[in-house]
Amino acid sequence: QSALTQPASVSGSPGQSITISCTGTSSDVGGCNYVSWYQQHPGKAPKLMIYDVSNRPSGVSNRFSGSKSGNTASLTISGLQAEDEADYYCSSYTRSSSLYVFGTGTKVTVL
Amino acid sequence: EVQLLESGGGLVQPGGSLRLSCAASGFTFSTYAMTWVRQAPGKGLEWVSAISGSGGNTYYADSVKGRFTISRDNSKNTLYLQMNSLRAEDTAVYYCAKVPGRGTKGGWFDPWGQGTLVTVSS
Repeated sequence: QSALTQPASVSGSPGQSITISCTGTSSDVGGCNYVSWYQQHPGKAPKLMIYDVSNRPSGVSNRFSGSKSGNTASLTISGLQAEDEADYYCSSYTRSSSLYVFGTGTKVTVL
Repeated sequence: EVQLLESGGGLVQPGGSLRLSCAASGFTFSTYAMTWVRQAPGKGLEWVSAISGSGGNTYYADSVKGRFTISRDNSKNTLYLQMNSLRAEDTAVYYCAKVPGRGTKGGWFDPWGQGTLVTVSS
């Protein structure tokens, strides 16, 4: 099972919006609505930001939103803030022999 | 408050074994599937294994199948990962996480423990 494909890095200025893509196949991202997104600051454990493609857990800022089209899921961060600087990973349930697959990860830099 | 606390990491020689534990509190442990995810130094996240709430269903990544065994003791609110035939490429921080969604399949991971480091080296 290959990892889902994410851009290595995305950057933006404070207040701007950025979008991180997550591309898989019809066996994972394209074949279900079980895509989630995680934020990880250096030396910290990952934190759930989005589940089931577009649902936001309580306590997560509404500046974070998720969507999906075909085999590609996306995470959008609007009103970018310094605290959003972190690594972001997508994950999807998969029909392959492994149950879940993660994305390659994207480093978000706030300029 | 839901809390997950991993333990059992350390330095082990190639071919050796190690058992990780994840102590859970703040929720009805037996009701939820649980999972292990690892992260090699400087690398991305890799899903390792998952287990249903009852412990009756287990799943593994191809990279650990046949070498790792996931289990749980619902009377002790504890999740385990028995790791045998360890290789250098198993070196990573191992996180346990609760799977609050629809059982082991199609869920998401929340929250995560703080992680425990496993180093496989001679």
